[in-house]
Amino acid sequence: AQSVTQLDSHVSVSEGTPVLLRCNYSSSYSPSLFWYVQHPNKGLQLLLKYTSAATLVKGINGFEAEFKKSETSFHLTKPSAHMSDAAEYFCVVSDRPGFQKLVFGTGTRLLVSP
Amino acid sequence: DAGVIQSPRHEVTEMGQEVTLRCKPISGHNSLFWYRQTMMRGLELLIYFNNNVPIDDSGMPEDRFSAKMPNASFSTLKIQPSEPRDSAVYFCASSLEAGGQQETQYFGPGTRLLVL
Repeated sequence: AQSVTQLDSHVSVSEGTPVLLRCNYSSSYSPSLFWYVQHPNKGLQLLLKYTSAATLVKGINGFEAEFKKSETSFHLTKPSAHMSDAAEYFCVVSDRPGFQKLVFGTGTRLLVSP
Repeated sequence: DAGVIQSPRHEVTEMGQEVTLRCKPISGHNSLFWYRQTMMRGLELLIYFNNNVPIDDSGMPEDRFSAKMPNASFSTLKIQPSEPRDSAVYFCASSLEAGGQQETQYFGPGTRLLVL
């Protein structure tokens, strides 16, 4: 079965500093990978997705992620954190190629201090 | 577009009562998903429908849970009887599946359920 591991449950940064949220995946095929964000008491919103096109994927709000097959990683980055980035971030893998079932990581809570 | 609509947003009930959660997917989407989110287990897929037909219900906890999709614009998730361990946030999501390819799932705001 496919799975993702989010290596940090919490990440704290200062406003204006870079953000790195780490994700490793396990898959027996070339996966589709996603990052979703969840603000407090809100639903999940797609930040970006990788579906075997360019390995560097740009998303909304200045976020991007790089698919590295050799490292089985899909880390999420942003050059400069903003207070509004404080939220829970989920790394997600599709269960099978083109299949609708998604497998969610346990989430990383991003804290941004002034 | 109004996005995925869920109701109610909050539900407090007593153990043993029936609970019905409702979802209206984005117009034109042909796949609908029910998820449950808890602190202990994170986000879990309960069931998903494609063209109103249940495709995978392997995540449904037990017979107390049932889901229906009578038409393309409405789905319900029912818990009968409810138990305190069912307390969670329940999300509905929808997507457009075309040519067998994975499309983005759009999530509703969720229903926060508390069973006393």
